[in-house]
Order: sequence, then C-alpha cells, then structure tokens
Amino acid sequence: EAQVTQNPRYLITVTGKKLTVTCSQNMNHEYMSWYRQDPGLGLRQIYYSMNVEVTDKGDVPEGYKVSRKEKRNFPLILESPSPNQTSLYFCASSPTGGFYTFGSGTRLTVV
Amino acid sequence: GIQVEQSPPDLILQEGANSTLRCNFSDSVNNLQWFHQNPWGQLINLFYIPSGTKQNGRLSATTVATERYSLLYISSSQTTDSGVYFCAVAGGTSYGKLTFGQGTILTVHP
Repeated sequence: EAQVTQNPRYLITVTGKKLTVTCSQNMNHEYMSWYRQDPGLGLRQIYYSMNVEVTDKGDVPEGYKVSRKEKRNFPLILESPSPNQTSLYFCASSPTGGFYTFGSGTRLTVV
Repeated sequence: GIQVEQSPPDLILQEGANSTLRCNFSDSVNNLQWFHQNPWGQLINLFYIPSGTKQNGRLSATTVATERYSLLYISSSQTTDSGVYFCAVAGGTSYGKLTFGQGTILTVHP
C-alpha cells in the first residue's frame, strides 16, 4: 500500500532531550516536507526537500533539523526541544511537488 | 509570501445539503490543493487543481487562476464530510513550499 509512515504517533518528552521523528514513504517520491499544526496558527511548513541531499527552509525552521540521505526517508530532528515545540507534526511526500500525500501525524508534547 | 484566505470559517449543514467553500490567494500559483482533515486528525488530499475543474464523486473543485480563487463544492453532504477543509497553494519558484489557509470547519448534522 502506498503510504507515508511517521513514527511515533504520540510522544511526550522533557525539555532539552534530543528526539527524532521518522518519516518514510514507499512511493519513490522526489519531494518531502514537514509541517506543524497549532491551534489558531494553522499548518506551517518547517522544511522541505526536493531530492536526496537537497533541503530548504520553510516558514518555521528554527529549532529543527532535517536530513535527506535516502529518497524514502526524511527524519525531523529536535536537538533541544522546548515547550513551544509542542504541536501536531505532519510529514508529506509528492512525486513532483504537486499532489501531496500526508502521514497520519505525530502529536508531540514537550514538558 | 502568498496569502491564502478561506471562507466561510465555519459552516453547519443538515445532511443532504450542498455547500461551496472558497479559497482566495494573493498571487499567481503553480500548485493548489484541497485537503480534508477528519475528526481523527488525518489529512486527506482531495484535489490537486492549480487551474480548471475536477470532479470526484460528490465533490468537485474549480480554480480560476487568473482571478486568484478556487471553489470546493460538496453536494448531498453526509456526516462523514465533517471536519476541516484546507486550501494550500504554492507559487513562483517555490513549487513544493505549500502555504495553507486557515481552513473551513464543516459540521454536518444527521
């Protein structure tokens, strides 16, 4: 089944403890992106990648890192999480930057 | 960057009614998509429609790129249509950089 898989689905962590949210797609898509969704602020793009080793900042990249070493994987790294990074995170992929498929989301709480 | 404005912000319908959701954008786009976020939080891509008209069952969408708006039509609404509908666009050279509108919250009552 064609899909975007994020893990974990839910995560509670403490301030400053490094974490990685994984994202994998099995559709050989070129484009991948990360978004965060917050009440009242909607969905905002964190980073996106147009191909292996090609990434660019979205609207809210501060406090996040990404890497694209393989086409199928696009992990989101929080080196030192803070409570203001508590959010619902989505990974998405697209063959050409057009039709995007989204993962099921990761609900992160930083205490 | 591109501004995206959706209307109405909230919509309450009885099952079987029709509705039209609107998305206005501030600049020319090369990418426009409509999404449905269901009550469980999942984002489902409904249409990729930077221009023209498409139909999928009870849903259809039209984008008039020259006038910078898109419409999503829902006919014979069902309770499962409830959720939030988002329009997202990208323009210029930022083909993969989607900007989302604030969404329309649709509630369909039985």
